Amino acid sequence: AQSVTQLDSHVSVSEGTPVLLRCNYSSSYSPSLFWYVQHPNKGLQLLLKYTSAATLVKGINGFEAEFKKSETSFHLTKPSAHMSDAAEYFCVVSGSGNTGKLIFGQGTTLQVKP
Amino acid sequence: NAGVTQTPKFQVLKTGQSMTLQCAQDMNHNSMYWYRQDPGMGLRLIYYSASEGTTDKGEVPDGYNVSRLKKQNFLLGLESAAPSQTSVYFCASSLVSSYNEQFFGPGTRLTVL
Repeated sequence: AQSVTQLDSHVSVSEGTPVLLRCNYSSSYSPSLFWYVQHPNKGLQLLLKYTSAATLVKGINGFEAEFKKSETSFHLTKPSAHMSDAAEYFCVVSGSGNTGKLIFGQGTTLQVKP
Repeated sequence: NAGVTQTPKFQVLKTGQSMTLQCAQDMNHNSMYWYRQDPGMGLRLIYYSASEGTTDKGEVPDGYNVSRLKKQNFLLGLESAAPSQTSVYFCASSLVSSYNEQFFGPGTRLTVL
């Protein structure tokens, strides 16, 4: 069965410092992996996705993630945090079969301090 | 191109009342989904529909029913609302493949008293 674990429920950084949000996954086959962002009282927006092409994936707003099969990880990074990055971030793995179902992590709240 | 829209945005119900949450997409997507979001639990799939006229249970289907009579619409019904159904509900749509991301609506905040 597919599953995803976000290793930190809360991450706090100062503006201008790097961001690292950690995600480990479990899958019985080569999965598709996604990072979504949710700003307060908003819907979810796709940041980036991995679909078995390049292992380093670049997304919107300067975010990127690296797929590491040996570590079953898909950590999200950004070199320099901005105040507008404060939000909740979800790591997501594709479900089994070809139904398009997704399995969500529990989320990581990113706080950016001035 | 509105994407995925949901109505209503907010709703307060009394225990035992019924209601229908509506979702519409204008992207000609095959698949549609209903999730609920509760603090610290991420999003959990209630029901999904791989194509018009078909529906399947997700992770937490109890107390809900769905209808997909038209490709662009996916309805979520609560027959007899319970306080445990207080949550934020999101609808999403996608092309059928698991390689394709899901596009989310803005959500419906439901409170059951």
